[in-house]
Amino acid sequence: SQQGEEDPQALSIQEGENATMNCSYKTSINNLQWYRQNSGRGLVHLILIRSNEREKHSGRLRVTLDTSKKSSSLLITASRAADTASYFCATGRSGGGADGLTFGKGTHLIIQP
Amino acid sequence: DVKVTQSSRYLVKRTGEKVFLECVQDMDHENMFWYRQDPGLGLRLIYFSYDVKMKEKGDIPEGYSVSREKKERFSLILESASTNQTSMYLCASTQGTYPPGEQYFGPGTRLTVT
Repeated sequence: SQQGEEDPQALSIQEGENATMNCSYKTSINNLQWYRQNSGRGLVHLILIRSNEREKHSGRLRVTLDTSKKSSSLLITASRAADTASYFCATGRSGGGADGLTFGKGTHLIIQP
Repeated sequence: DVKVTQSSRYLVKRTGEKVFLECVQDMDHENMFWYRQDPGLGLRLIYFSYDVKMKEKGDIPEGYSVSREKKERFSLILESASTNQTSMYLCASTQGTYPPGEQYFGPGTRLTVT
């Protein structure tokens, strides 16, 4: 199965700075998704980028996708304390959505006040 | 507001007990999933279901079974709980078939087996 791997595993920055997380995967994809998980809670979907897209924005989030390098990055601009969470990238286990997602191990982001 | 609910946030069970984790979604989604999350291992898929009474094994089905008698409800069953099943269990649902779409997650059940 495919597997996303996030980098770095942990990131600590000051409030107001930008945070960048990276994800690599192994096989071809239809799309790649990013999720956020606040401590001890369920995951929340942030953004989905299709394989034919190179960049996508949603509020303070910017996602890029480089299918030639099998990698994606998530940029959070002007970080806030509330952005403290773990962030995961995910791809389909196979071609379809009915058989679940493969998640990376996540990047734990801490925003220092 | 779409919602996936799980029956318990925290659960403590003894080794050998039969454990039921319940998940309910109110979005009329076809597909439902059970994942477990462990430190350093990320989320791993246990079982999934794409229709009522249908189930498929995920990546780590050993020691688990599932039941889906109604479209909105998907249950995870630990037939005889063991300490290595201590984990966070997350239920999710999605409507998408191809390509993979956004999954909606429940708040999770933190299970401790002693």
